[in-house]
Amino acid sequence: GAVVSQHPSWVICKSGTSVKIECRSLDFQATTMFWYRQFPKQSLMLMATSNEGSKATYEQGVEKDKFLINHASLTLSTLTVTSAHPEDSSFYICSASDDREGSPLHFGNGTRLTVT
Amino acid sequence: AQSVTQPDIHITVSEGASLELRCNYSYGATPYLFWYVQSPGQGLQLLLKYFSGDTLVQGIKGFEAEFKRSQSSFNLRKPSVHWSDAAEYFCAVGAPGTYKYIFGTGTRLKVLA
Repeated sequence: GAVVSQHPSWVICKSGTSVKIECRSLDFQATTMFWYRQFPKQSLMLMATSNEGSKATYEQGVEKDKFLINHASLTLSTLTVTSAHPEDSSFYICSASDDREGSPLHFGNGTRLTVT
Repeated sequence: AQSVTQPDIHITVSEGASLELRCNYSYGATPYLFWYVQSPGQGLQLLLKYFSGDTLVQGIKGFEAEFKRSQSSFNLRKPSVHWSDAAEYFCAVGAPGTYKYIFGTGTRLKVLA
């Protein structure tokens, strides 16, 4: 089955630094990937749609300069949290589809970001 | 507006008992429907999906769901729950041809030994 790998699974960083999270589709090509944020005991909030070879599409209220997304290839999208602050601490999850009609989204295992 | 409602925030069942998790949606047409499960600190795993055809859908781990158009529901069921089923369950809807899913708020399942 389709596998999405997300790295790192957890990261602790100091306030003001930047953190990069990688999302890879291991056995399929993904033109489109999605980045979500999940607060404790809450549902997933879509942050942005990552498009291979073009700019990401951000949801309303998501700062594109704070959350930089790069989709450099058909198997890799990265989310960089720039100048991180404690309020950016959260669980970030990526997902991808192999773009076949009817194919569901496949999710990575998420990244727990803690900003101190 | 499109929306997904999972009325039960928490559900507790005894191991071996049957389970039904509710999901109601609001959508202009028949959407794609999904159930995902999330273990603590993990991503989401697809349990089953409905796109069209037979309204009773079989999934992994012994789960099934029934699409009822008249009730705008897609409830998840399992005849006998195992302790390993304890997790968070999310219902999601997606517009055909897109991948912008809308997720429900989730139902946390606790299983008593």
